[in-house]
Formats: sequence, structure tokens, C-alpha cells
Amino acid sequence: EVQLVESGGGLVQPGRSLRLSCTASGFTFGDYAMSWVRQAPGKGLEWVGFIRSKAYGGTTEYAASVKGRFTISRDDSKSIAYLQMNSLKTEDTAVYYCTRVIAAVDAFDIWGQGTMVTVSS
Amino acid sequence: DIQMTQSPSTLSASVGDRVTITCRASQSISSWLAWYQQKPGKAPKLLIYKASSLESGVPSRFSGSGSGTEFTLTISSLQPDDFATYYCQQFRTFGQGTKVEIK
Repeated sequence: EVQLVESGGGLVQPGRSLRLSCTASGFTFGDYAMSWVRQAPGKGLEWVGFIRSKAYGGTTEYAASVKGRFTISRDDSKSIAYLQMNSLKTEDTAVYYCTRVIAAVDAFDIWGQGTMVTVSS
Repeated sequence: DIQMTQSPSTLSASVGDRVTITCRASQSISSWLAWYQQKPGKAPKLLIYKASSLESGVPSRFSGSGSGTEFTLTISSLQPDDFATYYCQQFRTFGQGTKVEIK
């Protein structure tokens, strides 16, 4: 079964760091770009960023709201994508979803169950 | 940056109704548009990609159309399982969502 499972969420103080993990199974992880999307409580979906597959350079892009603070990386040998979040702000409080990218059609076809990040003092 | 605007924000409908949701892009995005369904407490689910292609396993009552800046998602006959929030997406940008409620 194709699956993505996020982990690493929790309560963190403003200004601190947190790293989320997304463990993939059921498909060849290294063949796909991966993206992170977040959803603040009661709000809509917000794209956070993505990382291309190694075949396309493994480069990353980020939303303006997180650029310079968040970093996406991947370990294809472990089938894991990471979201390193630094200098966290209260407005980063959200459910964070990991998604698989179908690059040919610019769509996210597989989503994890999400992990909650709460930034509060 | 491209902006995506959905209308309406909320839609009240009955089982069996034909429902249409509109998504407008601030500039042409060709056919690079996807639609998702999200139920409370759950992850979004891909319904339509490339404006009109139905994702595998999605019921045929869902259809998408449009190109350039105007797109629509149509549910031909609303079913109880379809009451949810729907989002359009142009890769880096999501619409604000349309909540389909029971009338």
C-alpha cells in the first residue's frame, strides 16, 4: 500500500526549532518530488515547499512565509523526507501534511495523515 | 505570485443536486489545475488533475473543466459522502476552499 506517515509534531516555544519526518512506503521514493502543505486550525491549505527528486537535482522551493526559516531535505536510502523548522512563530501553528508530487501534472496524489505543530509559550 | 479565488465560499445543497464550484486564477495557468476534497479531521484527497482528468478511483459524478484562468468542478448528482470542503490548486497556491453543506 502506498503510504506516507508524518511524525515529529508537538508543542514548541516561539523561536525554537522542530524537525518533522515523512516516512514513505509502497513506492520508489527516490523517483518522486515531495512537498509539505500546512493547515492552520480552521483555515485553508497553504503550500510550504517542495523538494525535487535527485534526477532533477534534488533542489528545493519554499513559500515566502517560511523561506529562510524552513528547510526540506530527503534521504532516499531511508525513504524519508524532512521538514526542518527553525525560528518558529505562533503563526506556524498548523497541521503539517507530507505529500507525493506528480510532477508531470503538478498535483499531489498521496497525502499523509498530518502531524500537529503548536507554537506557543 | 498567482492568486487562486474560489466561489462560492459556502454552498448549501441537497442530495441529488448538481453542484458547480468555480476557481479563477489571477493569470493564465493553462490546464495546470487540481481539485481536492477534504473532510473534517482528514487529509485532502486528489479528485481532478490537469483541470479535467479524473484521479483513479474517484466517482464519475465528479468532473472538471476550464483552461487559462477559469475552471469549474462539477458534481453531477450530490451524494451524502460528498459533503466536504473542496480546494482548487495551482501547485504552489491553493484556493481558499468551498464548503459544501447540507441544505
